[in-house]
Amino acid sequence: EAGVTQFPSHSVIEKGQTVTLRCDPISGHDNLYWYRRVMGKEIKFLLHFVKESKQDESGMPNNRFLAERTGGTYSTLKVQPAELEDSGVYFCASSPLEGGGREKLFFGSGTQLSVL
Amino acid sequence: DAKTTQPNSMESNEEEPVHLPCNHSTISGTDHIHWYRQLPSQGPEYVIHGLTSNVNNRMASLAIAEDRKSSTLILHRATLRDAAVYYCILRDGSTPLVFGKGTRLSVIA
Repeated sequence: EAGVTQFPSHSVIEKGQTVTLRCDPISGHDNLYWYRRVMGKEIKFLLHFVKESKQDESGMPNNRFLAERTGGTYSTLKVQPAELEDSGVYFCASSPLEGGGREKLFFGSGTQLSVL
Repeated sequence: DAKTTQPNSMESNEEEPVHLPCNHSTISGTDHIHWYRQLPSQGPEYVIHGLTSNVNNRMASLAIAEDRKSSTLILHRATLRDAAVYYCILRDGSTPLVFGKGTRLSVIA
């Protein structure tokens, strides 16, 4: 069974440009999460989809970030325009709908974003 | 914010058991205790979780104190591949995982 896949693995862009990160969750997983780690800081939650609906987007830093999950399958995270402080590793995770705090999250390897 | 306290770092000899502690004195009755780890250049990886009883799986064991205010992740025989940052996380319902600083485990050959 394929794991969570993220694309690209690395992205280097200039300040002001747009970047779109993609996440393919494990097939059948309705929960999809985005996290990021800025250098030297802890892994921070960004948002949570249940199928195609945004369940919790309290961690989104500002309106330059737009996440979508059309059809409830893969998800994209667009940063427009990118700023220097957006550099970091962006992780996607998925899990089945189990509830009760028991379900395991499966993480992708992340996208390393560098904004110059 | 993370509701757990872990040592910043620990060191173990290869093939020795490792006990990674976690304090969570404000745990609520519905919080599950989750452990994840992050190996270098990889995303976090699920290790184990429990609610009240001790748990065992192929990766590790989780010992939960009777009052649930602390827990210990036990790696029975540390290998070089176990060198990682280990995160102890409380999770209630479908709330997102909240990562703290974790414990950086070094394994010495």
